[in-house]
Amino acid sequence: AQTVTQSQPEMSVQEAETVTLSCTYDTSENNYYLFWYKQPPSRQMILVIRQEAYKQQNATENRFSVNFQKAAKSFSLKISDSQLGDTAMYFCALGAGNTPLVFGKGTRLSVIA
Amino acid sequence: DTGVSQNPRHKITKRGQNVTFRCDPISEHNRLYWYRQTLGQGPEFLTYFQNEAQLEKSRLLSDRFSAERPKGSFSTLEIQRTEQGDSAMYLCASSSSALAHYSPLHFGNGTRLTVT
Repeated sequence: AQTVTQSQPEMSVQEAETVTLSCTYDTSENNYYLFWYKQPPSRQMILVIRQEAYKQQNATENRFSVNFQKAAKSFSLKISDSQLGDTAMYFCALGAGNTPLVFGKGTRLSVIA
Repeated sequence: DTGVSQNPRHKITKRGQNVTFRCDPISEHNRLYWYRQTLGQGPEFLTYFQNEAQLEKSRLLSDRFSAERPKGSFSTLEIQRTEQGDSAMYLCASSSSALAHYSPLHFGNGTRLTVT
């Protein structure tokens, strides 16, 4: 079975600062994908970034980057130059073993002006 | 690309009543997923379709729940004899099958169900 753990229920960051959201996961599969999804207040969930487990290079998307530590089964999200629009719930998700995505419980991020 | 559309946005019903939700996926997506999200939790998988075939159902999906996707287009999720524990946000998502389950999911805004 696949599991995803997000140990930070809530976080806050000052505008323009950098914040890192943590995620750990467990799977016995060798090939899998990891995702970060963002759910703004009262808006639909959207994909932020995706990492393929067999790729050693960390994925980046503009101000968003990940620190993928395969041996430690850790997949953290770094948001640089935080903006007010980054305020949202952030969900880490794991896709492995040809099963639908398993999501963590989420981290509520507040960006403070 | 008009996005994934879900209706209604909100539904309040009395315990014991039946409810039906609708999801219209992105037209070129052949995979359609239903997830349920309760307060303080991440989305939990319920079921998915590839075209019109329902390929997998979660153990969370009791026999009071049924989903259909006639003609591989829109999908409906029906809950019979609703219970207070069914109160949740029901999310629909669609994707292409290029990477099986790992193509990016496109979510709708969800249907929030409140059972009184």
